[in-house]
Parts: sequence; structure tokens; C-alpha cells
Amino acid sequence: NAGVTQTPKFRILKIGQSMTLQCAQDMNHNYMYWYRQDPGMGLKLIYYSVGAGITDKGEVPNGYNVSRSTTEDFPLRLELAAPSQTSVYFCASSHTGTGAEGYTFGSGTRLTVV
Amino acid sequence: AQSVTQLGSHVSVSEGALVLLRCNYSSSVPPYLFWYVQYPNQGLQLLLKYTSAATLVKGINGFEAEFKKSETSFHLTKPSAHMSDAAEYFCAVSEGSGGGADGLTFGKGTHLIIQP
Repeated sequence: NAGVTQTPKFRILKIGQSMTLQCAQDMNHNYMYWYRQDPGMGLKLIYYSVGAGITDKGEVPNGYNVSRSTTEDFPLRLELAAPSQTSVYFCASSHTGTGAEGYTFGSGTRLTVV
Repeated sequence: AQSVTQLGSHVSVSEGALVLLRCNYSSSVPPYLFWYVQYPNQGLQLLLKYTSAATLVKGINGFEAEFKKSETSFHLTKPSAHMSDAAEYFCAVSEGSGGGADGLTFGKGTHLIIQP
């Protein structure tokens, strides 16, 4: 099925470890986004990309890095994991930057840092 | 910059009753407005959207929302609640046709509880 695929679904990290959250879409969307979701706080934008080779910071980028070497993939890198990064992470993609046609979301990665 | 306020982090209604979830926005330009639904342990799914056409927008599962510019509101309604409507609902805004690429701004969400 076409859509956004995120891996892994769950992960437990120790403080100071690093990991990469994978995100891939097969809809040829130029725009891709990483959000984190915390209880009662809605979704906060971490990073976004308007196409291969182009990325920019969102509202809460500290502690994260991204790359966009292909249209399909938009991995999120956590360096030196901290308990404050315990969250559910969602990747999304869209055809336009305004999201007028709606975003397609992945099913999320639930990350716990202990 | 745009922002979204959802009134009520939890809303409880009886099965068959009217559902009303409130959303107010602020935007310096004509906005696009959205409602997304999130079922447990799933990603977000688009429910409906306003993109400057008709102000009354109909979505999936019997939901609808009305864009009221004078009240800067985009409330979500459904005439008769069903048990399967229990979920988290998010209102979101973007800067419309003149906006940039930096995505949607989401409200904090409203958890809809359906009482049998």
C-alpha cells in the first residue's frame, strides 16, 4: 500500500546513546516532516524538507539532525539521547507545502529514553 | 505566525448525542484549516479541510466543520455520536495559498469520549 513507512515502531534507548528513526514514502512527495507528539501538547515540528538535499529546522530541532539524500527517505537522527526526547515521533509527507491536499502520516515510532 | 487553540482537552458525550469540538485559530494571512483524527496507537488521518472554497466542509464519518472568519473559528460537529468516534482530534492551520513550506501548526488535541 502506498504511504509513509516508519521504523522501528518501538525503541528503548539509554541516555547518551544515538539512533536513527527511518521514514520512507512512495508517493513521490517533495515535502516531508518530522513531528514529535507529547501528551497534552499536540504535535511539534522538529525538521522539514522541501525536496532532496534541502532541509530546515522546525520549532523544536535541538538534539536532532536530518538528511534528505533521496525524495523517498527522510531519516531523523538522535545524538546523545536524553530523557526529554522520550516521545512519539511521526513522519509525514505532502504534495504541497501548505498541506492543502492533506498530509500522509506514518504510524509513528514510540521512543523511551532511560 | 499562526496558532491554534482547542477548547477542552477532554470532551465526553453520550452515544447518539451531538458532538462539538471547538477550534479557534489566529493567522496573519487567509488560512487553510484542517481536522485530523488519531485512533489509539495510530498515525493521524485527515478528517476534513477548508481551503477557501465553501465555508461548510463535510468530511468522513459524518463529521463537518464550518469556517467562520468573523469568529476565527473552525468547530467540528457530528449530529449523532457513535462509539467508534472515540479518538483524539486535532485542529491544524497552515498559511494557505500564500504560505511557505514549514508545515501545519497543530492544536493540543481534544480527546473525545463516548459514553454508552
